[in-house]
Amino acid sequence: QQPVQSPQAVILREGEDAVINCSSSKALYSVHWYRQKHGEAPVFLMILLKGGEQKGHDKISASFNEKKQQSSLYLTASQLSYSGTYFCGTEGGDDKIIFGKGTRLHILP
Amino acid sequence: DAGVIQSPRHEVTEMGQEVTLRCKPISGHNSLFWYRQTMMRGLELLIYFNNNVPIDDSGMPEDRFSAKMPNASFSTLKIQPSEPRDSAVYFCASSFDRGLGGYTFGSGTRLTVV
Repeated sequence: QQPVQSPQAVILREGEDAVINCSSSKALYSVHWYRQKHGEAPVFLMILLKGGEQKGHDKISASFNEKKQQSSLYLTASQLSYSGTYFCGTEGGDDKIIFGKGTRLHILP
Repeated sequence: DAGVIQSPRHEVTEMGQEVTLRCKPISGHNSLFWYRQTMMRGLELLIYFNNNVPIDDSGMPEDRFSAKMPNASFSTLKIQPSEPRDSAVYFCASSFDRGLGGYTFGSGTRLTVV
């Protein structure tokens, strides 16, 4: 069961904020977030574990609502380097991550 | 550490030929994953290994696909015979401790079957 990400694409100006949502139809143990730039491999951003938590580093943070089986990624004061495709990956206690289809983020100067 | 190393970076082959993709995980990582990425389907998990043992191969599309991990430092994904619909980027990723520190992806192999 592939998680559903929204929106599919976002265009922002530098300095604006963005929220990317991820929802699953099954119970989750953890949620991963990755960023992939064109022609490159996905790069791990953070993991949120069951129990409900928030995490963040720099101006990128995320929350995990276990009861709603949802996670959100928050990008504040976006920078040009934040451009790329963001993937959430969900893990339901079976040690394998299923990725959503991704959210394309484009930052304009 | 050199990260997860995949080879080749690009592969162009004719339909019907055998293709072998290779992966060297990060030393000390005990889980290895093969993913396939296409525009239509995104990142699909094909198979994963834990401590060199295949745990879940339910994502392998059909019997033409096979994967092995003979030791902790090497894995292969083989497609025989290859078909044009197998064209995609194939990523290998490794992790430690059930992925609590995230997955590290290799640079991928771009496969084109003509």
